[in-house]
Amino acid sequence: QVQLVESGGGVVQPGGSLRLSCAASGFTFSSYGMHWVRQAPGKGLEWVSFIRQDESDKYYADSVKGRFTISRDNSKNTLYLQMNSLRVEDMAVYYCAKDPGTGMSEGIDYWGQGTLVTVSS
Amino acid sequence: DVVMTQSPLSLPVTLGQPASISCRSSQSLVYSDGNTYLEWFHQRPGQSPRRLIYKVSNRDSGVPDRFSGSGSGTDFTLKISRVEAEDVGVYHCMQATRWPYTFGQGTQLEIK
Repeated sequence: QVQLVESGGGVVQPGGSLRLSCAASGFTFSSYGMHWVRQAPGKGLEWVSFIRQDESDKYYADSVKGRFTISRDNSKNTLYLQMNSLRVEDMAVYYCAKDPGTGMSEGIDYWGQGTLVTVSS
Repeated sequence: DVVMTQSPLSLPVTLGQPASISCRSSQSLVYSDGNTYLEWFHQRPGQSPRRLIYKVSNRDSGVPDRFSGSGSGTDFTLKISRVEAEDVGVYHCMQATRWPYTFGQGTQLEIK
């Protein structure tokens, strides 16, 4: 079965950096696009970023563009999110999510359990 | 960006009664391939979301048939024919037709 396990969350000061990882299993990782989605405490879901199977396309929400970088290592079945210049408003649970499409993106079908990023001085 | 507007935001329902959630988009969600990439997710307290419905009306494997999705263009609905206790939580719609993908505000379903 599909498993997505995020790690790397923690407490960081404003302006700091963190790198999130997502270990994938139960499917052919290299065949699917992947997303990051976040949820601030008590708030709704916000899509953050997407990366195509071969890294040929990457998309970002305007709120993180220029500060966050999505990447993947298909040999390690792992998705990453490098987060720089973190702001208080970036504080959220970050979910790794699988796209059901093997060609174009078609949405999200599976979610990880999430990792909490706290931005505070 | 496509704005997704859900209503109601809070939905108290009696066990065994039906429930309906609306999701409206600010632009048509019909993609150039003819598909409409509108999904519904359920998130129980303290858990990650789980997909219920994809491409407007397709139920995921294992999702009870009391859940159904319908709609077209900019107007979509999730219906629960008879609410059960396990259905509590927040329901989110998401459009995956245009970048950036966007979610509705979420609808909190509770048992009366």
